[in-house]
Order: sequence, then structure tokens, then C-alpha cells
Amino acid sequence: DARVTQTPRHKVTEMGQEVTMRCQPILGHNTVFWYRQTMMQGLELLAYFRNRAPLDDSGMPKDRFSAEMPDATLATLKIQPSEPRDSAVYFCASGLGLAGGGNEQFFGPGTRLTVL
Amino acid sequence: AQSVTQLGSHVSVSEGALVLLRCNYSSSVPPYLFWYVQYPNQGLQLLLKYTSAATLVKGINGFEAEFKKSETSFHLTKPSAHMSDAAEYFCAVSKSGGYQKVTFGTGTKLQVIP
Repeated sequence: DARVTQTPRHKVTEMGQEVTMRCQPILGHNTVFWYRQTMMQGLELLAYFRNRAPLDDSGMPKDRFSAEMPDATLATLKIQPSEPRDSAVYFCASGLGLAGGGNEQFFGPGTRLTVL
Repeated sequence: AQSVTQLGSHVSVSEGALVLLRCNYSSSVPPYLFWYVQYPNQGLQLLLKYTSAATLVKGINGFEAEFKKSETSFHLTKPSAHMSDAAEYFCAVSKSGGYQKVTFGTGTKLQVIP
């Protein structure tokens, strides 16, 4: 059945290194979201795209984070340089961006990032 | 801006007992409301959603929620808890009209005691 896939599932890296997380949304979905989940902050929206165009990235630290959709089947989230405070689980979600709202989001399994 | 408040970060119930997870929302316009569930080491999945049709919404796994405008609430209930219901539950809100981003609550972890 159709699922959102994320790679890698786990990543351990050292402070200062570049981290790239990838997401394959469900085929046919035109909205993609990136979330970060931590014990302290809960679930935070970092950025979201509709039809590959960024609609809102206000939740993302601009100096080190970047999000892109090179094509409809791939979304990427990059951190450069990474810092220990970036340690979290990063979720990608996709959905049908239907007018009227109330659209379900389908979440991937997450990438657990540890920055030492 | 819309927001949701989930009362109680942890709730414990006995197996077979009623489950009640509380959610209050704040929205300047008619909202869409959601409950998502997250099992350990997994992403969130939709339990149910309210989109201005029936105020009592039935979802998967025997859960339901009632939209009460006068109380600005959307509490999640299940008559009889099962061990497999142990998870974290998130209430969420978005504005109606057009595509709107969703704002999630802080989550409530449900423990089911045998």
C-alpha cells in the first residue's frame, strides 16, 4: 500500500557535519510537510510545499536549514552545519492539497538524528 | 491564529475502562479538527477528523470525538480501553477554507494498565 518513505531512518553525526534527509511522498500527493519532534518542543512544523513550491518555511532556522523539492517524488531537508541541538526525530508527511481544507496528512516513519 | 490545548500530558486507564483525552481549541473561524495517534517509533496516523458535518465523529479502532462549539472542545473517547491503545495522541486544528497548515497540540501519552 502507498506510504511515505524516509531515508535514512537513523543518522549519527558529529557537530559541524552536513546532514541530508530524504522523503518520498505518496504518489499523487501535492503537499509535503517537514516536522521536527523533540521531548521539549513537541511537534514543530519546519516547512511545507504545495506543488513543489515552498509555501511556508517560517519554522525553519534559515541560517543552517534548507528544504527543497527537486521533483514531485523527492523532498530533501538539509542541515549545514549541524549542531547538537538539532538532535530530534524529523518527520515528512504528504497529503492531497484539496481546496476547502481538512486534508489528512500521511506521515513517514521519521529520521532519528543524533548530533554529537 | 488557531491553537489547541491538550489537558494532561499523561493519562493512565485500566484495560476495559473508558478512555477520555481532552482537547480544547482556539480559532477565530470555524475550524477543522483532527486526532492523530503515534505508536512508538512510528509516524503519526489519522484517527478521525471533524470538517463541519456531523458533530459526533467516529474514527478507527473504536474511537470517537464530539465537536462542542459552546465549549470549544473536541475530546476523544473510547468506551473500553485495549492494551493496543497505548500510544501518544495528538489533537490538531486548521482553519477551514483553502489549504491551511495544521497546528498540533503537545500530545497525551496514554498508558493502559492490565
